[in-house]
Amino acid sequence: SQKIEQNSEALNIQEGKTATLTCNYTNYSPAYLQWYRQDPGRGPVFLLLIRENEKEKRKERLKVTFDTTLKQSLFHITASQPADSATYLCALGLRGGYQKVTFGTGTKLQVIP
Amino acid sequence: DADVTQTPRNRITKTGKRIMLECSQTKGHDRMYWYRQDPGLGLRLIYYSFDVKDINKGEISDGYSVSRQAQAKFSLSLESAIPNQTALYFCATSDPGTNAYEQYFGPGTRLTVT
Repeated sequence: SQKIEQNSEALNIQEGKTATLTCNYTNYSPAYLQWYRQDPGRGPVFLLLIRENEKEKRKERLKVTFDTTLKQSLFHITASQPADSATYLCALGLRGGYQKVTFGTGTKLQVIP
Repeated sequence: DADVTQTPRNRITKTGKRIMLECSQTKGHDRMYWYRQDPGLGLRLIYYSFDVKDINKGEISDGYSVSRQAQAKFSLSLESAIPNQTALYFCATSDPGTNAYEQYFGPGTRLTVT
C-alpha cells in the first residue's frame, strides 16, 4: 500500500543548529514533492517544491533534497531559530495529478533558545 | 484581508444534524480543495474542484458533499453529522498557471460532533 512517513516524534534542537526532517515514501512515483509549514491552529503554508529530476533546492536558510532511489526527501533548516518552531509537512504530487497532492502526517520541530 | 476565508471557524453540532462549511477566496484560482486533519492521520483530501463545472471525490468523500457556487466559493456539507467527523477542516486553492503547484490554505474550521 502507499505510504508517506514522517517522524511522528517531535524534534527538539538547539537554536543555531541545523534541523533535519525526513520524509520517506513507499509505492509512489512522485513527479514532485512539496514542504509546508503549519503553526498551531492555522492552515499549512507552502515553503518549497522539488521535482523528481532535481537533487537539491535551496531557499534562504532552507534546503530540500530528493532521492528517488531511496524514496526519501530531507528538509534542512540551517541556523535554526525559535521562530522556526512549527510542524512541517511533506506532500507528494503525482504525474497528471493536476496539483492534487497527498500529505504526510508532519513532524513537529521545537527550537530551544 | 485574508485570501482564503472559512466560516464558521468553530462549530459544535449534534449527531444527525446537517451542517455546511463555507470557503471563499479572492485569489482568482480555479482549483479548490477540501481537506480534513486528524491527529496522527495528517491532511486527507475530501473533495476537489478544478472549475465551477468540475467536482471530484477525494480519498474520504463518504458522508460529505460539496457545492461550487462560483469560482470563488466552495462549500462542504455533512448531510448527517456523526462523531467521527469531528476534525479540523481546511479549504485550499491553487493556480494551474504556477510552476510550484503550491496550495493556499484557509485558517480552518474546527468541527465537533457530539
